[in-house]
Amino acid sequence: AQKITQTQPGMFVQEKEAVTLDCTYDTSDQSYGLFWYKQPSSGEMIFLIYQGSYDEQNATEGRYSLNFQKARKSANLVISASQLGDSAMYFCAMREGPSGTYKYIFGTGTRLKVLA
Amino acid sequence: ETGVTQTPRHLVMGMTNKKSLKCEQHLGHNAMYWYKQSAKKPLELMFVYSLEERVENNSVPSRFSPECPNSSHLFLHLHTLQPEDSALYLCASSQDGTRGDTQYFGPGTRLTVL
Repeated sequence: AQKITQTQPGMFVQEKEAVTLDCTYDTSDQSYGLFWYKQPSSGEMIFLIYQGSYDEQNATEGRYSLNFQKARKSANLVISASQLGDSAMYFCAMREGPSGTYKYIFGTGTRLKVLA
Repeated sequence: ETGVTQTPRHLVMGMTNKKSLKCEQHLGHNAMYWYKQSAKKPLELMFVYSLEERVENNSVPSRFSPECPNSSHLFLHLHTLQPEDSALYLCASSQDGTRGDTQYFGPGTRLTVL
């Protein structure tokens, strides 16, 4: 079974609108971390936001917020007020396992295109 | 220099060549990673170094040989590669206990094997 599932291969959003990118995960660990990365066409993976499994509040970083629904095992990324520069691949990732032997698992990504 | 740097950014090599990829992190982290990113496949973790010791080797062919001389530098030595090894190779670093052990990535080396 897939550990990280991103069901949207591609998404379009109008500039200045908000967009939600979906991510579901599968783990039996109690302690884990969830991450979102942005990868522009240049190739660099840019860290956006982190959510710990014990964090009660949803993480926010500027225009990015993570909608964490633990019971549903979902960790959707919300980008508010989309900008043309937000066009990129977005990857959801999970860190699981004991400290010192962490496993990082990445999803297959969602390609976001922001329209002017 | 800040963050994680990788050189070269692009590399074209023949199947009989020997080359090395270099990664340097300026974040004071204690763990470093090599990933392979092929088209339409999730990121594949290749090697993990923690405190300069290799702690993970995910069944990577021996034609890929990592080296971590200190906590700031990581190399990937390549020899007798195959065309299917063409991919984007990403280096990352993290610090134990910091922000959930978030990994910070370099810009990658795009490798083409002819």
